[in-house]
Amino acid sequence: EIVLTQSPATLSLSPGERATLSCRASQSVSSYLAWYQQKPGQAPRLLIYDASNRATGIPARFSGSGSGTDFTLTISSLEPEDFAVYYCQQRSNLITFGPGTKVDIK
Amino acid sequence: QVQLVQSGAEVKKPGSSVKVSCKASGGTFSSYTISWVRQAPGQGLEWMGRIIPILGIANYAQKFQGRVTITADKSTSTAYMELSSLRSEDTAVYYCASPEGTPDSFDIWGQGTMVTVSS
Repeated sequence: EIVLTQSPATLSLSPGERATLSCRASQSVSSYLAWYQQKPGQAPRLLIYDASNRATGIPARFSGSGSGTDFTLTISSLEPEDFAVYYCQQRSNLITFGPGTKVDIK
Repeated sequence: QVQLVQSGAEVKKPGSSVKVSCKASGGTFSSYTISWVRQAPGQGLEWMGRIIPILGIANYAQKFQGRVTITADKSTSTAYMELSSLRSEDTAVYYCASPEGTPDSFDIWGQGTMVTVSS
């Protein structure tokens, strides 16, 4: 099973700041990595698929990069609605999710 | 646009089984996969398995092998997830999810079904 590790566990930032979230895989997943946002009481929302492709309707401030084992989700300038938990997910070998990074208000 | 509507909340005794349904509308059911993902209270997302309705083939996460069964009824466009030998640690929200475009990248989610396991 491919294990995903996310860092940091919590990221405390202010609106307008840049957020950089990391996801590392225990073995190469090529570019088969997605990012999701989840707010309390809601289902996850797909942000990025295949490492760097924004899903339909996702604002341009969200971007993804990386390949192999190291991936990054960047939010260029945090909006109030971006404070949430973010998960990475691989689909290279079955499916696994990372443990999540919580982005909260500083 | 495909929509997924799940069955309602369940309360179960330890050792029993639960079967959650996920009805798809607005698309061609058999042409996409349905995955099941669960989330225990305050915890992260955990993939349980998936089914390809057109083939009737299911894959399961190793953790759930032997305890979960995912099926699909093409005539009603409904997928099912049955989890047996329930224990308190199975208390969670169970989601069905499906990709609209890229395989196994989930842009469509059901509303979630709360399953509580308690004596």
